[in-house]
Amino acid sequence: EIVLTQSPDFQSVTPKEKVTITCRASQSIGSSLHWYQQKPDQSPKLLIKYASQSISGVPSRFSGSGSGTDFTLTINSLEAEDAAAYYCHQSSSLPITFGQGTRLEIK
Amino acid sequence: EVQLVESGGGLVQPGGSLRLSCAASGFTFSSYEMNWVRQAPGKGLEWVSYISSSGSTIYYADSVKGRFTISRDNAKNSLYLQMNSLRAEDTAVYYCARASGGYDLTAFDIWGQGTMVTVSS
Repeated sequence: EIVLTQSPDFQSVTPKEKVTITCRASQSIGSSLHWYQQKPDQSPKLLIKYASQSISGVPSRFSGSGSGTDFTLTINSLEAEDAAAYYCHQSSSLPITFGQGTRLEIK
Repeated sequence: EVQLVESGGGLVQPGGSLRLSCAASGFTFSSYEMNWVRQAPGKGLEWVSYISSSGSTIYYADSVKGRFTISRDNAKNSLYLQMNSLRAEDTAVYYCARASGGYDLTAFDIWGQGTMVTVSS
């Protein structure tokens, strides 16, 4: 099983700050890494697919990078509405796995 | 509007059964692979099961293999999860999620609102 480890688990940030969340895979997964945002009491929402591919309707301040085992989700100029949990997800091999999540709090 | 709506959750005793449904609308359901993903209270996301567009290929997480059965009815635009021999650790919100299409098991681009399953005596 491919284990995805996100860091940090929690971050408290101020609006307009730049935020970086990392996801490390226990073995190489190419670019088969996707990012989701989940706000409280809502279902997850796809932000980035295949490491860096943007999703229609997602604000341009969200971007992704990486390949192999190390991936990054970057949020430029954080907004109050970005308070949420963020998860990475690998689709390279079974079983499909998710990272443990990163909770972002807006100060 | 592209939409997935789950139903069928509820309170069930350990060892009991429950059948979840997911109604799809706004897209050609028969063209998409589908998944079930769950989230225990206060916890992260856990993939449960996958089914191909035709229903011919199915995968399960080890934690549910032999107890849960995924199926679909493309004529009714519906996805199902039959859950048997339920345990307390199956307590979670269950989401159905559409696979976006890609070269592997791919990203999940559309999610339902979820249905809560509680296993307790």
